[in-house]
Amino acid sequence: DAGVIQSPRHEVTEMGQEVTLRCKPISGHNSLFWYRQTMMRGLELLIYFNNNVPIDDSGMPEDRFSAKMPNASFSTLKIQPSEPRDSAVYFCASSLEGVGYGYTFGSGTRLTVV
Amino acid sequence: KQEVTQIPAALSVPEGENLVLNCSFTDSAIYNLQWFRQDPGKGLTSLLLIQSSQREQTSGRLNASLDKSSGRSTLYIAASQPGDSATYLCAVGTGANSKLTFGKGITLSVRP
Repeated sequence: DAGVIQSPRHEVTEMGQEVTLRCKPISGHNSLFWYRQTMMRGLELLIYFNNNVPIDDSGMPEDRFSAKMPNASFSTLKIQPSEPRDSAVYFCASSLEGVGYGYTFGSGTRLTVV
Repeated sequence: KQEVTQIPAALSVPEGENLVLNCSFTDSAIYNLQWFRQDPGKGLTSLLLIQSSQREQTSGRLNASLDKSSGRSTLYIAASQPGDSATYLCAVGTGANSKLTFGKGITLSVRP
């Protein structure tokens, strides 16, 4: 298995633009997590899905952020409009049966909003 | 609210030294605890997963222990090597379907 695949690896965009981050989880994993990592705040969970259904989105910072999981093999995290404070590394992770069985992380998308 | 603390933030040791990385958490009602490794510019790699009913887990030169009552975990690295240089993060899960709460990590440098 190729692991959790995220795209793009790097994204530079101007403030106000829409940004879409993509994730393909490991085949057979039924939980998917989006995290954001910054120097100040470390790793924060934004949202997670179980069997394609959003379970906990309490970490989504505000209405500018939205996430979807239309099927078991694909998820998107969208920011519209983007702001400089959204600059961070965004990680996607997947697991089987939620947190009880460990996570596999993708390589992340480094987002810079100028 | 669960809080996870890892101190110090950075550590430098000579090659061959045995070392211990510490993690503390405020709520002892945890489901499990994981240690991850993160290399610069990379994602996180799971090293060890300890369920709440377990006291320790071992993988090669790594040993992780868990003391729920005191809210602490340690990651022991034996005979450290330059290739062990990375950031090590501790994460606590508070339920089978709840989020992991991460510490900010300890950046380890092993000097040849």
